[in-house]
Amino acid sequence: DTEVTQTPKHLVMGMTNKKSLKCEQHMGHRAMYWYKQKAKKPPELMFVYSYEKLSINESVPSRFSPECPNSSLLNLHLHALQPEDSALYLCASSQTPSSTDTQYFGPGTRLTVL
Amino acid sequence: KNQVEQSPQSLIILEGKNCTLQCNYTVSPFSNLRWYKQDTGRGPVSLTIMTFSENTKSNGRYTATLDADTKQSSLHITASQLSDSASYICVGSSLSGGYNKLIFGAGTRLAVHP
Repeated sequence: DTEVTQTPKHLVMGMTNKKSLKCEQHMGHRAMYWYKQKAKKPPELMFVYSYEKLSINESVPSRFSPECPNSSLLNLHLHALQPEDSALYLCASSQTPSSTDTQYFGPGTRLTVL
Repeated sequence: KNQVEQSPQSLIILEGKNCTLQCNYTVSPFSNLRWYKQDTGRGPVSLTIMTFSENTKSNGRYTATLDADTKQSSLHITASQLSDSASYICVGSSLSGGYNKLIFGAGTRLAVHP
């Protein structure tokens, strides 16, 4: 099983809402990632979790709050977002953070902030 | 500065024809080079990964080449199919601080027409 799943597929939220994105993998990977991708642009790294601990935060605003409850799950909690935060949010995983193997990406959550 | 440049930006070909996409990279320290295929609104899917010692790697109708001296890579698609229509992203990988960071190119948008 080389699949990373993400829910929901689509999310529309207002600027005062609180919502969460969920990512799951059962490949035994110990590194998980959140990326943000705007239309026709490459993905931009947001966070890296290594062995369930946050190891990299690419200066992401605090309205985005990641959480790794266990080695298979990664959440991204959203609060007080801005319309410019509308994007495709991608989750990925790899064997380890230093692994030269493939990073497997999920299908993404399409987020629209009104 | 680490960067990956791809050409052309977009390409239209007829079904059954071959095409070659180009990638120039400046990545240091260099770990490996990857090609991903991304359908619109979906997560990237890995096609190939090559280290500096590998010159060529194939995955079905996809063949990637790597010239570590000139820091160039190409992705050749043989006998194109309509399902090949997607963005193809060249990604450099740099191992630094125990973490394999991905440096994404802007992608080549390929359209295969019947």
